[in-house]
Amino acid sequence: TQLLEQSPQFLSIQEGENLTVYCNSSSVFSSLQWYRQEPGEGPVLLVTVVTGGEVKKLKRLTFQFGDARKDSSLHITAAQPGDTGLYLCAGAERGGADGLTFGKGTHLIIQP
Amino acid sequence: DAGITQSPRHKVTETGTPVTLRCHQTENHRYMYWYRQDPGHGLRLIHYSYGVKDTDKGEVSDGYSVSRSKTEDFLLTLESATSSQTSVYFCAISEAVSYNSPLHFGNGTRLTVT
Repeated sequence: TQLLEQSPQFLSIQEGENLTVYCNSSSVFSSLQWYRQEPGEGPVLLVTVVTGGEVKKLKRLTFQFGDARKDSSLHITAAQPGDTGLYLCAGAERGGADGLTFGKGTHLIIQP
Repeated sequence: DAGITQSPRHKVTETGTPVTLRCHQTENHRYMYWYRQDPGHGLRLIHYSYGVKDTDKGEVSDGYSVSRSKTEDFLLTLESATSSQTSVYFCAISEAVSYNSPLHFGNGTRLTVT
């Protein structure tokens, strides 16, 4: 079973600060997906990164896939209270129907 | 938003009773999944379906069964509920199986087994 380790598990910062969360594995993934989950709701896809070294930007969020396709990071610039949530990374190994492995998530709280 | 409805949203049941959770989609997606989410464990796959009457086991399938008699409905049954099955259950759907296909999740069912 492939494992995805996310760090930190919990992060509480002030509005306007920058932050980075990490998703690491010893295994190679075909792609990594990032989801955000709010209380009482299901996870919602933010982005998919596919190519080693790929960088994708979604407004104030920057996602990077490691060159070796074993790790990924999410950087948020000037965090807002609306960024509060649980951030999950998920790796796709072989594209099979059961191919997504989820990390345990980073709980992010942005204090106004 | 993907049209996924999970029912019930909340349920409390007693140990030893059977429980069925329902997932209904209006997207006509072929692939459907049941996950459970627990503190310290993240999302873990219970069962999945790749078509009508085609299902397979996931990582944590013991004590669970599924059925898919129509494209739009995927049922998860706890044959004899135990306290260890207290969890939040999420249904997800996917249009295709490829390394970059996203999952669309329902809003979950919170199940408490007493």
